[in-house]
Amino acid sequence: QVQLVQSGAEVKKPGASVKVSCKASGYTFTGHYVHWVRQAPGQGLEWMGRINPNSGGIIYTQKFQGRVTMTRDTSISTAYIELSRLRSDDTAIYYCARDLWVGGTSGHDSWGQGTLVTVSA
Amino acid sequence: EIVLTQSPGTLSLSPGERATLSCRASQSVTSTYLAWYQQRPGQAPRLLIIDASSRATGIPDRFSGSGSGTDFTLTISRLEPEDFAVYYCQHYGSSPLTFGGGTKVEIK
Repeated sequence: QVQLVQSGAEVKKPGASVKVSCKASGYTFTGHYVHWVRQAPGQGLEWMGRINPNSGGIIYTQKFQGRVTMTRDTSISTAYIELSRLRSDDTAIYYCARDLWVGGTSGHDSWGQGTLVTVSA
Repeated sequence: EIVLTQSPGTLSLSPGERATLSCRASQSVTSTYLAWYQQRPGQAPRLLIIDASSRATGIPDRFSGSGSGTDFTLTISRLEPEDFAVYYCQHYGSSPLTFGGGTKVEIK
């Protein structure tokens, strides 16, 4: 079955960087885009961007341009998101999610368990 | 960027009742590329509906979606206890993808 397993919770100081991993199994990793979505405590969902694991092509939402990097390692079916220059309002659960469509964009049908990133001095 | 506005913010209903949730877009959504998700407390979101009206795999038929252009609706025909949760709409017709602010369906 399709599964996305994310790395564990992180506590970082303001100004630091954090890198979260998302290991995929149960499907062809290069066939489906991987999206990253975050959720601040008690708040709604925020789409951050997506990576095409086949080509490495990336789309980031403008809000995070310059601070976010999405990469992948196809040899271990893992996607990564790195966020730099962390601020307190980056405290959130970060989710990876698989796109339903093969090679395109649709709804996100499988989600990781989420990684809590806490930014605190 | 397409802004999605969901209403109401909270819906208080009893099990067995019908729930109607609204999602309005600031501009027309390309080709009805709109999804609905359910999120229970402490869980990741779950995909319910894609393309405005197609149920995702394994989703019960009490969930239905409709709409086009700028106005979309998620209907839950008869609320089951496990349906009390937060629901989000999302468009995926153009970048950036965006989510609505959510509607909480709570037990009355």
